[in-house]
Amino acid sequence: DTAVSQTPKYLVTQMGNDKSIKCEQNLGHDTMYWYKQDSKKFLKIMFSYNNKELIINETVPNRFSPKSPDKAHLNLHINSLELGDSAVYFCASSQDKEQPQHFGDGTRLSIL
Amino acid sequence: EDQVTQSPEALRLQEGESSSLNCSYTVSGLRGLFWYRQDPGKGPEFLFTLYSAGEEKEKERLKATLTKKESFLHITAPKPEDSATYLCAVQAGNYGQNFVFGPGTRLSVLP
Repeated sequence: DTAVSQTPKYLVTQMGNDKSIKCEQNLGHDTMYWYKQDSKKFLKIMFSYNNKELIINETVPNRFSPKSPDKAHLNLHINSLELGDSAVYFCASSQDKEQPQHFGDGTRLSIL
Repeated sequence: EDQVTQSPEALRLQEGESSSLNCSYTVSGLRGLFWYRQDPGKGPEFLFTLYSAGEEKEKERLKATLTKKESFLHITAPKPEDSATYLCAVQAGNYGQNFVFGPGTRLSVLP
């Protein structure tokens, strides 16, 4: 009965590959997010998605694209992976965009 | 640009030794300030939301307070299970579109 679940938990891949991370929430929330936590443990928001309205953080390369098939899912697709993409990616959800966020346990992405 | 800083970077306490963590922020149009706890290998876990200066929230050994420029997380008589990284985050902007996390304070409570 995990509230926010991400798959896979670990992802090891080669530079230049394309990969996706899946996120599902069973809380009935309207808003979902993707965060990147780098090696210094700094959490930085990448995207938020509220009722099919996508808010893009302009510092995120366009190799990153969120896709939301429905309100309970927000997947992250990354094209042409680079060494600097190595990080832990967290998915989160909230009742609406001003309520506290509930986080998944992260996907650790390592680029070889 | 909205900014959040936290101090100290790391804190080591003996069990039962009370202390406070600081979160200072510079934002345009604060909508809310959030405290989270993060354990190794896990996602942040929500603790408190504060919306206006003077507000206080309590949960077990934790108490969060808010002023116009900073927030404190007071830990009273901590136990080893309180060891974690404590993160502060602010939501700001006219539409609450800016969400910024601080770098966190790593707390270790020794038995």
